[in-house]
Amino acid sequence: GDSVTQMEGPVTLSEEAFLTINCTYTATGYPSLFWYVQYPGEGLQLLLKATKADDKGSNKGFEATYRKETTSFHLEKGSVQVSDSAVYFCALTLYSSASKIIFGSGTRLSIRP
Amino acid sequence: GAVVSQHPSWVICKSGTSVKIECRSLDFQATTMFWYRQFPKQSLMLMATSNEGSKATYEQGVEKDKFLINHASLTLSTLTVTSAHPEDSSFYICSASRGGANTGELFFGEGSRLTVL
Repeated sequence: GDSVTQMEGPVTLSEEAFLTINCTYTATGYPSLFWYVQYPGEGLQLLLKATKADDKGSNKGFEATYRKETTSFHLEKGSVQVSDSAVYFCALTLYSSASKIIFGSGTRLSIRP
Repeated sequence: GAVVSQHPSWVICKSGTSVKIECRSLDFQATTMFWYRQFPKQSLMLMATSNEGSKATYEQGVEKDKFLINHASLTLSTLTVTSAHPEDSSFYICSASRGGANTGELFFGEGSRLTVL
């Protein structure tokens, strides 16, 4: 079935370090891909998205590129800040099931000052 | 951005009682709302899709008589966990959509943690 797999956390980095959170997907159709972020005590927020192959989503210094050949959508940031500490969820939707969003298990990121 | 609020944020109840969780879209009308369940260190699992004015659509394996969903207005959906048992303890999250979920226009509540003793 359709699924999303992302790297297990927690991930702990020092401020200004480079961040990569891996995400791969399995889908029967042509999915749209998303990264959501959940800050402590808040609901999930859309961070970025990509709807077709080779699209790059970007927001707040984060980037992810839709790679159809490797079925991946890895999240990257060149220099993380303490305020980036949160749980990050990779997700997909399929056009054929537009109301259903499938999430990965989430990766907790902690940034040390 | 749009705000979705859940209430209560946490609740503790005795086994056998029923618990109602509310999901409100505060600054937009939500034709569709979704309810998810999240176990520790696991992903959000879609439980049901709630459409205003019609019956909810439940995902496979979700007991509709156990998890009652009502979407009586364009700004409110409720999830009632009936005759709750300890295995129902979980983190329940709602989201609201202004359009189809495929657009990415989903707005999430803060979640409600249910503990059944």
